[in-house]
Amino acid sequence: AQTVTQSQPEMSVQEAETVTLSCTYDTSESNYYLFWYKQPPSRQMILVIRQEAYKQQNATENRFSVNFQKAAKSFSLKISDSQLGDTAMYFCAFPDDPISNFGNEKLTFGTGTRLTIIP
Amino acid sequence: DTGVSQDPRHKITKRGQNVTFRCDPISEHNRLYWYRQTLGQGPEFLTYFQNEAQLEKSRLLSDRFSAERPKGSFSTLEIQRTEQGDSAMYLCASRLGWGGEQFFGPGTRLTVL
Repeated sequence: AQTVTQSQPEMSVQEAETVTLSCTYDTSESNYYLFWYKQPPSRQMILVIRQEAYKQQNATENRFSVNFQKAAKSFSLKISDSQLGDTAMYFCAFPDDPISNFGNEKLTFGTGTRLTIIP
Repeated sequence: DTGVSQDPRHKITKRGQNVTFRCDPISEHNRLYWYRQTLGQGPEFLTYFQNEAQLEKSRLLSDRFSAERPKGSFSTLEIQRTEQGDSAMYLCASRLGWGGEQFFGPGTRLTVL
């Protein structure tokens, strides 16, 4: 089974600052996706950004970008110009058995990082 | 709204009672997942459907749990003889295709007294 580790249970930054959330994972696969999901308080989980392992270029979505280090199995999320609406739990997720198992791709999640943006 | 919907949003029940949750995925999505999330943790996989076929069940899914997806559309998750340890948020997600994003519903929060 794959493992996903998020070592920062909580973080807080001032509004407009930049913050980086870390994630490491373990896999023997060579081709896979990695995801960062956001879960705001009492609201549903939404995808923030997705990285394809075969792409060397780091994914970027507006203020959100990743630093993907495949050899180190590291997948950190950088949030630039943080906003109050970024306050949420952030989960790193990795598809278990991405190639086999009937295309299941069930997600293994880290334990999350609770991010608070301070006004 | 064409997102994933779940019903009910909250359920309070007494230990020993049976409960059933419903998930309506995005209409063209053939893959449907159930996850369980306890406080302070990330979601954990419970079971997976491809169309109407239940292809995988986690060992977290005891014999008291059963899930169905008749006709490959909505899905139900039933818990029989609920226990206090079943208290959690039950999340449903759906997707289309390999490597595709999983779209999550708002979840059903279960409290077993």
